[in-house]
Amino acid sequence: SQKIEQNSEALNIQEGKTATLTCNYTNYSPAYLQWYRQDPGRGPVFLLLIRENEKEKRKERLKVTFDTTLKQSLFHITASQPADSATYLCALALSGGYNKLIFGAGTRLAVHP
Amino acid sequence: DTGVSQDPRHKITKRGQNVTFRCDPISEHNRLYWYRQTLGQGPEFLTYFQNEAQLEKSRLLSDRFSAERPKGSFSTLEIQRTEQGDSAMYLCASSSYMTGTGELFFGEGSRLTVL
Repeated sequence: SQKIEQNSEALNIQEGKTATLTCNYTNYSPAYLQWYRQDPGRGPVFLLLIRENEKEKRKERLKVTFDTTLKQSLFHITASQPADSATYLCALALSGGYNKLIFGAGTRLAVHP
Repeated sequence: DTGVSQDPRHKITKRGQNVTFRCDPISEHNRLYWYRQTLGQGPEFLTYFQNEAQLEKSRLLSDRFSAERPKGSFSTLEIQRTEQGDSAMYLCASSSYMTGTGELFFGEGSRLTVL
């Protein structure tokens, strides 16, 4: 069966450290993968997109890697801040689609001062 | 244009009643999506419009759900004979085929509680 798995347990880290979130998928062949941030009671907000032929993407303190052999993406936030505390969603877009995204359940990140 | 707008933000209804949600996408976006999200889960795809045409509808969507996008602008999602299992956040998103960066712009959602 098709699955997208993100750590269901919250990730607690100290301010200033690097947060690393994992997204694993099975039985999908995504054209690209996206990461979104979601705050409680709000809609998701786009952060980064990485295509199947890209290994790594960076944007300010954010870095995403994509390994289509391992079927895994890692999302890193360096020099984390309490304001980074939120739920982070991984989403796959399938080939031949129209930006239809399949979302994981998300990982909640808590950055402590 | 300030983004995707959804109305109402919150709706409490009794089981068996009909409810309708409205979504106003970013004006130049021709693609519109509806998702449903329950607590602790990611958004789940419901349906997709390109302009006024509904091109895909999830098999999870029962015949009590209907969506429209007349004239390719705003969209409505109607749920008839609501059930307690329909309680969720209903999210609307839009994107542009022409600028094609792939990202979806989400609204703040309409939270439905069925008593």
